[in-house]
Amino acid sequence: GAVVSQHPSRVICKSGTSVKIECRSLDFQATTMFWYRQFPKQSLMLMATSNEGSKATYEQGVEKDKFLINHASLTLSTLTVTSAHPEDSSFYICSARAEGLGGTGELFFGEGSRLTVL
Amino acid sequence: GDSVTQMEGPVTLSEEAFLTINCTYTATGYPSLFWYVQYPGEGLQLLLKATKADDKGSNKGFEATYRKETTSFHLEKGSVQVSDSAVYFCALIYNQGGKLIFGQGTELSVKP
Repeated sequence: GAVVSQHPSRVICKSGTSVKIECRSLDFQATTMFWYRQFPKQSLMLMATSNEGSKATYEQGVEKDKFLINHASLTLSTLTVTSAHPEDSSFYICSARAEGLGGTGELFFGEGSRLTVL
Repeated sequence: GDSVTQMEGPVTLSEEAFLTINCTYTATGYPSLFWYVQYPGEGLQLLLKATKADDKGSNKGFEATYRKETTSFHLEKGSVQVSDSAVYFCALIYNQGGKLIFGQGTELSVKP
């Protein structure tokens, strides 16, 4: 089946630094990718919709200057947490829609990236 | 607005017990409904789905039926295994281009 890979799976950084998380669709093209944030014991909160070649669409309450999203190709979207603080510590999950020739339109999820800000 | 509500966890069962995880939704139209599973330390995997009323999704012994009259999509399994221990999320989407709306998740723990 389709695979979505995230990297890194775990990252620990100091407060004030920036961290980049990559989301790749390994065997299909993804015009649209989604970034979610998951707090412990809670559901997934949609942060933004990443569109290839255009600006991301952010959900209400999500700071676009803090969570920079770039979708430069049909197989890669990146989320950069800028000037990270401890409250940004969370589990970040991306999903990609299988589109294009042979694509089913189904959503596939990455394995998640756990960010810990000290 | 549109929302999904699941029964609160954690749910603890013995192996081979019957499982039901309730899920109800609020929506103005006719969404597609999904169950996702998240194993410890991993991302989400699609477990099953149903796209219209009275459809039954099934996979790995799990089943759920899209009930429009009760706006429900309860997840069931006749005999759970230890390997089914995970967090289960109910979700809805209006169309393939739309956004998934998740319930809060229900943690299932199956004891030998």
